[in-house]
Amino acid sequence: DQQVKQNSPSLSVQEGRISILNCDYTNSMFDYFLWYKKYPAEGPTFLISISSIKDKNEDGRFTVFLNKSAKHLSLHIVPSQPGDSAVYFCATRDSGNTPLVFGKGTRLSVIA
Amino acid sequence: SQTIHQWPATLVQPVGSPLSLECTVEGTSNPNLYWYRQAAGRGLQLLFYSVGIGQISSEVPQNLSASRPQDRQFILSSKKLLLSDSGFYLCAGNRGDGYTFGSGTRLTVV
Repeated sequence: DQQVKQNSPSLSVQEGRISILNCDYTNSMFDYFLWYKKYPAEGPTFLISISSIKDKNEDGRFTVFLNKSAKHLSLHIVPSQPGDSAVYFCATRDSGNTPLVFGKGTRLSVIA
Repeated sequence: SQTIHQWPATLVQPVGSPLSLECTVEGTSNPNLYWYRQAAGRGLQLLFYSVGIGQISSEVPQNLSASRPQDRQFILSSKKLLLSDSGFYLCAGNRGDGYTFGSGTRLTVV
């Protein structure tokens, strides 16, 4: 059973517009959330994270929102750029030293 | 800063042949290390993790095994590969609250 769900396998957005990637989780013990970006044939790279004590974290064009009651987080990219085209993975863990659990990823295509 | 080295980048192996993928860590000591596999449509699946030398935890039953002979070395192995072992294998080390990933190995079993 999937603990982390990214229900949209793909998303297309025009350059300059906002990209919104969504992630849902089932375990209320998860308390730290991360987004990774992955290009083909490369390892994922860390993008942005948020702790469960916050509901928003912003870093330049990237903002992550966390809704604990809904067990939902989202990544907003604005403005979207062609170089943002990649697969985005949502990941999370609980407060113990347990491995990160990843979603299946969402492939974002930013069209010029 | 932590760097994860993986090799080879690509590998084509026949069914039934053995496998050994090596991962080494630079820039940190006593890291937690992880092997993930990305199969088509399956996302990143955790295969093994290790919190120290000789300590291996397996997440899913499978045809693969892992070993950690040294603090900064993590090896993924198989005695006999199956077609279903094809995928993109990633080694990762923990860094703060997140992970650093290696560049991955694309394994195709034919």
